[in-house]
Parts: sequence; C-alpha cells; structure tokens
Amino acid sequence: QSALTQPASVSGSPGQSITISCTGTSSDVGSWNLVSWYQQHPGSVPKLILYEGTQRPSGLSTRFSGSKSGNTAFLTISELQAEDEADYYCCSYTRSGTFVFGTGTKVTVL
Amino acid sequence: EVQLVESGGGLVQPGGSLRLSCAASGFTLSAFYMSWVRQAPGKGLEWVSVTNSGGTTDYADSVKGRFTISRDNSKNTLYLQMNSLRVEDTAVYYCVADQNVWGQGTLVTVSS
Repeated sequence: QSALTQPASVSGSPGQSITISCTGTSSDVGSWNLVSWYQQHPGSVPKLILYEGTQRPSGLSTRFSGSKSGNTAFLTISELQAEDEADYYCCSYTRSGTFVFGTGTKVTVL
Repeated sequence: EVQLVESGGGLVQPGGSLRLSCAASGFTLSAFYMSWVRQAPGKGLEWVSVTNSGGTTDYADSVKGRFTISRDNSKNTLYLQMNSLRVEDTAVYYCVADQNVWGQGTLVTVSS
C-alpha cells in the first residue's frame, strides 16, 4: 500500500490554471475511476472537492475539475484565487478493497 | 445538521490500547461507508480502515491485526479499537462518512 505520488508543491498566479498529478499503479488509480480529491487549509479538516475522478459535490466551484490518463489522475484548478492556497490530497480505491492517499501537494498562490 | 463527533483520544504508552468513538447525527451511519483516516503532526493523510453498510471491513497494512473497526447501529456510533499502540500511531484520527462528511478529529499521542 504505497502512497500515491504527488508533486510536493505547485504554484501559480491569480487567474492562472494549475494542474496537480497523482500517480499510482494499475492496482489503484489505473483500475477504475474512483479517485477523490481533498483540499485542506492549515488547521482545518480536509474537504472533499472531487469524487469518482470528475464529480463535484453539490455547491462546489466549477473551477475544480478532474481527469485521468492511465495510472495518473489530475486535478486542475482554473482561475486561481488566493483562497485556493492549501494542501491537496488525492485518494484512490484499490483492488485490495482498501484506500490509499497521495503524498499531498502544497499549492501556493503567488 | 449532518455531523460526526469523535472522542476517546489521549495520551497512551507504547503497547497500550485506546478506543475511539465517532457519534453521528443527522443521518443513519449504518447506511454509509464509514472510514477512519489519520494525520500525523505536520504530515499527510493516511487511510486507516473502512466498514461498509454490509459490515465488511478492511485495514491498512500498518494497522492490520492491531486495530478493529466496528459500529453500534443502535447508538449510531462508529468505533476504532486500537491495541498494541506504537509511537508511529501518534496522529489526529478523523471519522469520515462516505468520503464527504468529516469529524473534527481526535488526537492520539503514543509516548512513554
């Protein structure tokens, strides 16, 4: 159950788009479209922003979108805003019936 | 209001035991996937355990054989029994319903 691989940090200027990758294996990310993404601000509880790869919870901003290619899932944040500065984690269901989180990515808004 | 409230965290010596509780309100816990997720101080999220509506359970390799997830439907409460605790189990433990509803977390510190 090795953690999914994410870049340690990604940065962008307000209004720009950024993309965070989440690389796993054919036993997790590559097996099905069951990747979720979480946003965590310092000192706060994680918040679900995408599930089943591309689905947004009710009321969530359309600036967050997801995609996948092979064993890698992606989170794109468009029209970057100061409030988007946070840690982001991916999470995938696995063939073993367990879940595995990514290593986490710190997003900095320049 | 849909809410999860964890309790039971605290300071315990290595090799000791603790039982965490997670009380649900505003929804029926038994109808959902319920998970425990932990976060060591300054570190990332780590999935710990899950139980589904059918009662099936699964665990991360790091806790398998030491932790047990269970639920009391009559009390609408989820539990995590943690035995043989290690220093590396020190973390904030979150209860999560169906990926979307998170409790505020309870801190477990394993130290001599």
